[in-house]
Amino acid sequence: GQQLNQSPQSMFIQEGEDVSMNCTSSSIFNTWLWYKQDPGEGPVLLIALYKAGELTSNGRLTAQFGITRKDSFLNISASIPSDVGIYFCAGQYGGSQGNLIFGKGTKLSVKP
Amino acid sequence: EAGVAQSPRYKIIEKRQSVAFWCNPISGHATLYWYQQILGQGPKLLIQFQNNGVVDDSQLPKDRFSAERLKGVDSTLKIQPAKLEDSAVYLCASSFSNTEAFFGQGTRLTVV
Repeated sequence: GQQLNQSPQSMFIQEGEDVSMNCTSSSIFNTWLWYKQDPGEGPVLLIALYKAGELTSNGRLTAQFGITRKDSFLNISASIPSDVGIYFCAGQYGGSQGNLIFGKGTKLSVKP
Repeated sequence: EAGVAQSPRYKIIEKRQSVAFWCNPISGHATLYWYQQILGQGPKLLIQFQNNGVVDDSQLPKDRFSAERLKGVDSTLKIQPAKLEDSAVYLCASSFSNTEAFFGQGTRLTVV
């Protein structure tokens, strides 16, 4: 099935460092979503983006909807140990056929 | 507000047996999704409902998987007969109107 290209696949960082991950697609999306998944849990929505060029923050998290509508990035500033987990991007076409397509995830490890 | 409820949390069955998963979406959410998440991958859409109608089931292996949402609220996903490669986490998500999707905790299926 279709999946988005998400990178990097994994990251090992020191507590306090900033993190950046991105997602690209060959298709245009109307919505970009970023989720975090902890072990044994379902994905939890972090940020939703609805307009090309939109830049949205949620605490230490900042995400942008690319101008071409084919990409998005997520930044985490001043990482802390509880940021550990797998981050997924998801693109949605919108309308009645609003399929939500996921990337393969970025696994984040934070060393205290 | 109650989240998406799924049951059971875990299920172990032998190959060729059948299994069913249940999902109760967030109240008022017309869109319901079933995703399959294989270890180390992002969620893959199996089927999407809008109220009690199927919007997209193009990636549902219809020879063995079936899903229904008869009254436009709860949904069940069934596998019959199960194969080893069906071992995965089955996630249910719902959204108000093809916007942000909220996920349940998932059902972890192990086929032995």
